[in-house]
Amino acid sequence: GAGVSQSPSNKVTEKGKDVELRCDPISGHTALYWYRQSLGQGLEFLIYFQGNSAPDKSGLPSDRFSAERTGGSVSTLTIQRTQQEDSAVYLCASSLAAGAYNEQFFGPGTRLTVL
Amino acid sequence: KNQVEQSPQSLIILEGKNCTLQCNYTVSPFSNLRWYKQDTGRGPVSLTIMTFSENTKSNGRYTATLDADTKQSSLHITASQLSDSASYICVVSGPYGQNFVFGPGTRLSVLP
Repeated sequence: GAGVSQSPSNKVTEKGKDVELRCDPISGHTALYWYRQSLGQGLEFLIYFQGNSAPDKSGLPSDRFSAERTGGSVSTLTIQRTQQEDSAVYLCASSLAAGAYNEQFFGPGTRLTVL
Repeated sequence: KNQVEQSPQSLIILEGKNCTLQCNYTVSPFSNLRWYKQDTGRGPVSLTIMTFSENTKSNGRYTATLDADTKQSSLHITASQLSDSASYICVVSGPYGQNFVFGPGTRLSVLP
């Protein structure tokens, strides 16, 4: 595809339910990032994948959050037992390689609302 | 603590006017600084990137400046257009791993 795609674009769920958010990175990009953007806040790093290396999970806020990346391409962010404070826009980005000089290309985000 | 602050929080200007957005950071060590534009409902898109040795970078009507000594950057928009209405995010990177620190953004509204 031409860019990073994410699905769904919007997700409304009830407190306590599990949700899965999907990210399709740009083909050939080895690095993939998940961020959370709350209203009026800067992007908060969640997790980072680089090639076949173990992911950097240092930004995950709790053990209810997990992510996987299958075959070095598509990634899924899973939030278990959702809470109202999980409501935010979840952004995925990919870059050709890891490192500060490689531009991150962002998807449109998934807006998650937990009722 | 590595932080990026931006000002103003929001700004309203008339079409055709110029404006300047500010970014202050405490990220150390420093690798580079990017300005992103984020339209409503979209992901951020990179406008400029500067390393510590660069003090100005232009992209059309957007000009970014960097003072690595004072740890300040600005984004100047010339002859604003309605399509410039967006959030502008300053991102400072360290040299290792995924060390990207995002500012909260400045919300710019350009009115006709």
